[in-house]
Amino acid sequence: AQTVTQSQPEMSVQEAETVTLSCTYDTSESDYYLFWYKQPPSRQMILVIRQEAYKQQNATENRFSVNFQKAAKSFSLKISDSQLGDAAMYFCAYRSNSGGSNYKLTFGKGTLLTVNP
Amino acid sequence: KAGVTQTPRYLIKTRGQQVTLSCSPISGHRSVSWYQQTPGQGLQFLFEYFSETQRNKGNFPGRFSGRQFSNSRSEMNVSTLELGDSALYLCASSLAAGVRLGTQYFGPGTRLTVL
Repeated sequence: AQTVTQSQPEMSVQEAETVTLSCTYDTSESDYYLFWYKQPPSRQMILVIRQEAYKQQNATENRFSVNFQKAAKSFSLKISDSQLGDAAMYFCAYRSNSGGSNYKLTFGKGTLLTVNP
Repeated sequence: KAGVTQTPRYLIKTRGQQVTLSCSPISGHRSVSWYQQTPGQGLQFLFEYFSETQRNKGNFPGRFSGRQFSNSRSEMNVSTLELGDSALYLCASSLAAGVRLGTQYFGPGTRLTVL
């Protein structure tokens, strides 16, 4: 079974600074997706960024980028120029893309990010 | 395009009762998945529906059930509620299923409290 580990329960960053959230995962599959979701206090789960395992290039969405290290099974999220609105719980998630598999999302426990003004 | 909607947003029930939660996916999306979120267990997969068929089920007791209608709307039902069923129940929709599942978009959730 796949597992996702987020080793940082809490992180804090100063407004306008850069922060990196860590995520490692365990799988024997080669075809899969990785996601970062953000859950602010409103509880709405919002997709931040998505990475397809067969793509070498790291995904980027505006101020959000990932460092995907497939061999190391590592998938970190970098937030540049942090804003107060970035404060939220961030979840790393894995989804298989192998035929015949259960395509559920497997989530890490989350990292609570605080942004200090 | 409207996002995923879930009703009701908040629900208070007592032990032994049953509850039905509803989820309307994004227009055009045919796959609906349900997740339970608790402080202790985190986010756990309940089940996935596509074209009115349950395609996958998580490791939850039979008290948890669901269904999907021809318009892709989905409901989940929990019978004989227990205190441990108190949680945020999240619904997620996506265009297709299986290897073409794509990205899942979440609704705001239903907060269920069991007293």
